[in-house]
Amino acid sequence: SQKIEQNSEALNIQEGKTATLTCNYTNYSPAYLQWYRQDPGRGPVFLLLIRENEKEKRKERLKVTFDTTLKQSLFHITASQPADSATYLCALDFSGGSYIPTFGRGTSLIVHP
Amino acid sequence: SAVISQKPSRDICQRGTSLTIQCQVDSQVTMMFWYRQQPGQSLTLIATANQGSEATYESGFVIDKFPISRPNLTFSTLTVSNMSPEDSSIYLCSVPGTVNTEAFFGQGTRLTVV
Repeated sequence: SQKIEQNSEALNIQEGKTATLTCNYTNYSPAYLQWYRQDPGRGPVFLLLIRENEKEKRKERLKVTFDTTLKQSLFHITASQPADSATYLCALDFSGGSYIPTFGRGTSLIVHP
Repeated sequence: SAVISQKPSRDICQRGTSLTIQCQVDSQVTMMFWYRQQPGQSLTLIATANQGSEATYESGFVIDKFPISRPNLTFSTLTVSNMSPEDSSIYLCSVPGTVNTEAFFGQGTRLTVV
């Protein structure tokens, strides 16, 4: 069965540093991978999508890489701010195109001022 | 993008009772999804709700426990029936984006069963 692994331990960093979160998956090779942000008491909010033929995608201070050989995606937040503190979820579509994402457990990021 | 209004945002319920969660979308969508998120866990898909047909349930979820209605293309309800403390969780509705490559979520319903 498909499995998505994200670090369960919270990532603590200082403001201004780059945060790097990891998402690993097994078995199936998805056509694309997504990252979402979830704040306490809120639903996830879509951030970025990267396709299997893309190595890297950027959006403002966010950067996502996708290594289909390693079956891994890295999510970077540069110049991090306390407002970036949240849980970040990666998601993959294992449904073969009908788009029903499967989510990882998420990694909590805490940016200290 | 889609704007989803979900209510209630939270509730505390007695065991053995039922709670119905409502999800309203600001545009017509073919598919709506219901997820459960237990503390510290990932989102788990409960079922896919299609207008005009019965919902499709994922393994481990049954219609008697989680009946779903989908009366039109902008609205759905999920009922959590005969609740027990193990049902305490966050319940989320979701719809796919217009190009089916992203998901939009309601704000979630935090359910506590006592």
